Amino acid sequence: DQQVKQNSPSLSVQEGRISILNCDYTNSMFDYFLWYKKYPAEGPTFLISISSIKDKNEDGRFTVFLNKSAKHLSLHIVPSQPGDSAVYFCAASDGGSQGNLIFGKGTKLSVKP
Amino acid sequence: DSGVTQTPKHLITATGQRVTLRCSPRSGDLSVYWYQQSLDQGLQFLIHYYNGEERAKGNILERFSAQQFPDLHSELNLSSLELGDSALYFCASSVATAQETQYFGPGTRLLVL
Repeated sequence: DQQVKQNSPSLSVQEGRISILNCDYTNSMFDYFLWYKKYPAEGPTFLISISSIKDKNEDGRFTVFLNKSAKHLSLHIVPSQPGDSAVYFCAASDGGSQGNLIFGKGTKLSVKP
Repeated sequence: DSGVTQTPKHLITATGQRVTLRCSPRSGDLSVYWYQQSLDQGLQFLIHYYNGEERAKGNILERFSAQQFPDLHSELNLSSLELGDSALYFCASSVATAQETQYFGPGTRLLVL
């Protein structure tokens, strides 16, 4: 039973355009969400996070939107660059004293020049 | 560079053997998490240590164990290895626990033949 779902295994976008990566979750106890970027043979690199008390967080070209009622979050990358091509993972934490992350299976983003 | 180090980078061993993976967290981080990424799978949480104590267990097999030492480095021990244990093993660290960003190491690629 997947608690965090990334339903699009891949996404292709033209350089300069917006990339929108989506993530759905089922557990209403999740209170902290993160996006990671991963290149092959490397560890995930933290991009941006959002707490459940917010609905938007922005950092440079990256913006994460959280819709708690729909249990949905999205990552917007504007403008997209070829160097953004990687696998993007959405992750969620239910806080408490554990803090372990539950990951989606990832979306492979390809940004074409 | 996340500041999290893992050794070895690659490990090839035979079924039935035992291996130890090592992780050094970022300076100042008290929490260490271990994750497994198998082929076509997202990252699966294995176990979490905070300041030397086990905090949470995920989908960790009984053949696997971990510990965190007084200097806060951690080791993941995998025994009676099976072909299906071949995977990428990542360590992550954070300052504390809940609502904390986890920073990942480069991973150890384990191949069991």
